Amino acid sequence: DQQVKQNSPSLSVQEGRISILNCDYTNSMFDYFLWYKKYPAEGPTFLISISSIKDKNEDGRFTVFLNKSAKHLSLHIVPSQPGDSAVYFCAASVIQGAQKLVFGQGTRLTINP
Amino acid sequence: EPEVTQTPSHQVTQMGQEVILRCVPISNHLYFYWYRQILGQKVEFLVSFYNNEISEKSEIFDDQFSVERPDGSNFTLKIRSTKLEDSAMYFCASIRTSNTGELFFGEGSRLTVL
Repeated sequence: DQQVKQNSPSLSVQEGRISILNCDYTNSMFDYFLWYKKYPAEGPTFLISISSIKDKNEDGRFTVFLNKSAKHLSLHIVPSQPGDSAVYFCAASVIQGAQKLVFGQGTRLTINP
Repeated sequence: EPEVTQTPSHQVTQMGQEVILRCVPISNHLYFYWYRQILGQKVEFLVSFYNNEISEKSEIFDDQFSVERPDGSNFTLKIRSTKLEDSAMYFCASIRTSNTGELFFGEGSRLTVL
């Protein structure tokens, strides 16, 4: 059951440049999308979210873009900093549900100095 | 800043033994969850709990699993008879309202079944 997919298991970016993480989904019932960041030995930490009625949400260095027709979302981090090195999970849910998040496999982002 | 706390951080058990994983959600939160992540795999939903009852559970959450909120603060996950494939990180999460999916996760309990 691959309802949420992150096709890139890893990504390496130079400090100061833009990091772009991608996520695809198949379930058209999803109406809320989130990005979580995870460091080793810690739980996932919420980063940014977007409702399906929007196509962009921005919070500081982080911007999430949603393309509903393509069932695709992306997370842009600019400028990338060494502290951004972590595993990033895309997740999706149905608002009227019980907040059952469906996660992607994660992308390990490494920011090189 | 309030946080979700989980104990133990790591538990090693023999196959067939019962395990209880404990969580203290954020105090004014009303919805509680357990998720797990088998090594190298994605984070998977197990169960959600609201108003002292299960609101949704996944196929993984079979009769060997149960959840309980025995008092006003703790939220527990019990695995009655552990199997090798139960080895995973178990994450507790909570949220105040159901309007968004911005769950607050604990640091996880690593379960190793031998």
